[in-house]
Parts: sequence; structure tokens; C-alpha cells
Amino acid sequence: VLTQSPATLSLSPGERATLSCRASQDINNLLAWYQQKPGQPPRLLIYDSSNRAPGIPARFSGSGSGTDFTLTISSLEPEDFAVYYCQQRSSWPPLTFGGGTTVEMK
Amino acid sequence: QVQLVESGGGVVQPGGSLRLSCEASGFSVHNYALHWVRQAPGKGLEWVSFIQYDGINQYYLASVKGRFTISRDNSNNSVYLQMNSLRPDDTAVYYCVRDLGKVGTLRFDAWGQGTLVSVSS
Repeated sequence: VLTQSPATLSLSPGERATLSCRASQDINNLLAWYQQKPGQPPRLLIYDSSNRAPGIPARFSGSGSGTDFTLTISSLEPEDFAVYYCQQRSSWPPLTFGGGTTVEMK
Repeated sequence: QVQLVESGGGVVQPGGSLRLSCEASGFSVHNYALHWVRQAPGKGLEWVSFIQYDGINQYYLASVKGRFTISRDNSNNSVYLQMNSLRPDDTAVYYCVRDLGKVGTLRFDAWGQGTLVSVSS
């Protein structure tokens, strides 16, 4: 089970966002982060905890190993306000996602 | 340009069937494993099914096993999801998703726009 916190993060453009994903068991570094905007499919941001997917801006970074993981957006741009999901690939089936964190504009 | 286009969604009564299709363009599906992931209205993401590049291995979410069948036709660059005995809790947008590898890296690098399945009487 993947638990994301907080459920909602209210921030202003330019601020730093820190999103958490906690696994119920050790998943090594096998965690990905996705961004989803309304009416769009998710987009891969980070894979294997800390590797940015092609084309993803450097303001997005991931860290963590074992059970605790963090997605950091160093300085929020207007287009970063969205829902973020973590996903583990350590133990499957099934592949599982966290419940999501909504980053909303303050 | 990599594209995945789903079709076949719609409104169906409980107990009914639907067949979803996903046609790929911009790449050859025979080099990739493929998944279906769904999202109920206003809810999070839920992985549904996987098929590796040659169709030999397939996996399912427990709640759909025995009701859903994933298949692929590499010659038509397509993947399918046959959904039988549909239930109201199957209502969701169903996304076709490309895996980064042939046998399943379980990293999703391309998503379709989704097709809505609504199960209601």
C-alpha cells in the first residue's frame, strides 16, 4: 500500500512543494511519480525514485529509498498545479498507485 | 510521434460486455509490453491488466480476473480488453499505457487519452 501526504497542498507560484509517498513495506527504490492535469492522462515525471523522465524540467526531483519517498518541485510554475501520484513496481501484480496529492494554487 | 488511441467505451448495463481497443501509432507495439489502467470518476489510478510483447504473459487485477481478458494483435499494432460481467464499480476511464520494455519494466512512458466505460442500469 502506498500512502501519499498531504492530500492537498496549497501553495503560491515560486514556492517549494514537498510531496510524500510512504510504502507499507520496503520497495527498494522502485517508485515512480506521475503528474495529472484535469482532463488529461498522467505523465511520467520520475522513475526509480530519483531519475527524471525525458523532457521533465530540472525543478522536479525525487528522492528516497525503502519505504519513504519525496517528490520536490523547487519553485512552482503555474503549469505545475495538478494532481501527483506515486506508483510502485517492486511487488506485483498488482501494480499499485498512491491516492494522490493535489497541488493547488493558494 | 508516439500515440495510443482507445475506443470502444460506452454505457452498458450491469452484467453486460464491452471490448476496448487501443491502436498505437508512431511505434511498433511488438517491441513493448502494454497495460490497461483505469480511473473512476474523481478518483485515483488503478492498474487493471498487463500483456507482454509476445502475448505470452498476462496479469490482472484480482477484482477483474476471470471477467476481463487482455489480448494483442501486433500485426495491427493494437491491444484489446474484453470486459465481461461488468459491474457498476468498473465504471471508469480506461487508459491504454505503454511500458518502457518488452516484458515489463512496469514504468509507463506513454498514455492514451482514455475511453469512458459507464456501467449503469
